[in-house]
Amino acid sequence: GEDVEQSLFLSVREGDSSVINCTYTDSSSTYLYWYKQEPGAGLQLLTYIFSNMDMKQDQRLTVLLNKKDKHLSLRIADTQTGDSAIYFCAESIGLRNTDKLIFGTGTRLQVFP
Amino acid sequence: NAGVTQTPKFQVLKTGQSMTLQCAQDMNHNSMYWYRQDPGMGLRLIYYSASEGTTDKGEVPNGYNVSRLNKREFSLRLESAAPSQTSVYFCASSDRTGAGSYEQYFGPGTRLTVT
Repeated sequence: GEDVEQSLFLSVREGDSSVINCTYTDSSSTYLYWYKQEPGAGLQLLTYIFSNMDMKQDQRLTVLLNKKDKHLSLRIADTQTGDSAIYFCAESIGLRNTDKLIFGTGTRLQVFP
Repeated sequence: NAGVTQTPKFQVLKTGQSMTLQCAQDMNHNSMYWYRQDPGMGLRLIYYSASEGTTDKGEVPNGYNVSRLNKREFSLRLESAAPSQTSVYFCASSDRTGAGSYEQYFGPGTRLTVT
């Protein structure tokens, strides 16, 4: 079945790098996504990676994909207090004329000074 | 350009009451979705609409109905609310990009409590 797993918590010092990990089960997923949720808000799309890529960099964000192990990670360089939030990874499952997303449980990132 | 809007932001219902959650998008997207978010469980898909005039069940459709009123609006109805439906409800919309992905954009959520 479709399943996405993430660790629940990560705590880092301001200025350090954060690495959030995710594993997924559906090898047919075409796209994998990272979303950010701040308290009391909806989900904000951060970045995504196509399944035939193994790395994508977008400013402070680096996404690594190991398709063989079905492992996805999000690295945030120079982590700031404003990065404190819950981060969700999601795999896309193709449907007729659209996709659906299967979300992980989310990783709560806490950044301390 | 407001993106995805949802009303109401908060709602308290008694068991057995009914209500409709409203969602609208101004991005001219074809696809719209309803999710619920429960602590420690991520988001789960309730219903989706791939295009105007079509709706399909997601992972957790029981106790809900939906209407795709037009391309902009997608509503979620609880006919007889139960405490198990206490949750935060998110609406999202998407369309196929040039790269072939369907990037979903989310509304701010409706926090529903059923007593």
